[in-house]
Amino acid sequence: GAVVSQHPSWVICKSGTSVKIECRSLDFQATTMFWYRQFPKQSLMLMATSNEGSKATYEQGVEKDKFLINHASLTLSTLTVTSAHPEDSSFYICSARDPQFGQGHYEQYFGPGTRLTVT
Amino acid sequence: ILNVEQSPQSLHVQEGDSTNFTCSFPSSNFYALHWYRWETAKSPEALFVMTLNGDEKKKGRISATLNTKEGYSYLYIKGSQPEDSATYLCAFSNRDDKIIFGKGTRLHILP
Repeated sequence: GAVVSQHPSWVICKSGTSVKIECRSLDFQATTMFWYRQFPKQSLMLMATSNEGSKATYEQGVEKDKFLINHASLTLSTLTVTSAHPEDSSFYICSARDPQFGQGHYEQYFGPGTRLTVT
Repeated sequence: ILNVEQSPQSLHVQEGDSTNFTCSFPSSNFYALHWYRWETAKSPEALFVMTLNGDEKKKGRISATLNTKEGYSYLYIKGSQPEDSATYLCAFSNRDDKIIFGKGTRLHILP
């Protein structure tokens, strides 16, 4: 089956620094990837949709200048949390859509997630 | 406001027993209902995608039903095994390409 990797699996950083999280589709080309965030005891919340070769589409309330998304190739999307603050501490998880299954949210393949802690 | 509710939040089931849990979602503008199994430290794994009212899907001992008119889906596990211990996520997607996840049902299988 389709595999999506995410790196790092956890990261601790100091307040004010930036952190980059990578999401890779290992055995398929993903024109669209999604970034989610999950706070404790809450549901996965879609942050943005990342489209290869174009700008990401951000959900309402998500600051695009703070959460920079780059989808420069068909197998890699990156999320950079800029000037991180303790309130950005969360679980970030990406997913990729295999284009052979068409549009919509069919057949999303998730990475294992990244636990970010900002001190 | 689009909301997906899953109940119960947590469930302990004796090994060998069958169980089920619920996902409630908006009944309007429906596109698809998804179930995922999420084991700790692993990626969520897709179980089912259902699109039609009355859909029933089965994968081994796990099955799911869908009622889009009243906005609910049930997930059933027959003869629970320790490997079924996981969080089961439900997600609703609408025709505007929005996907909303529930908080999940955490299932613990007791030996």
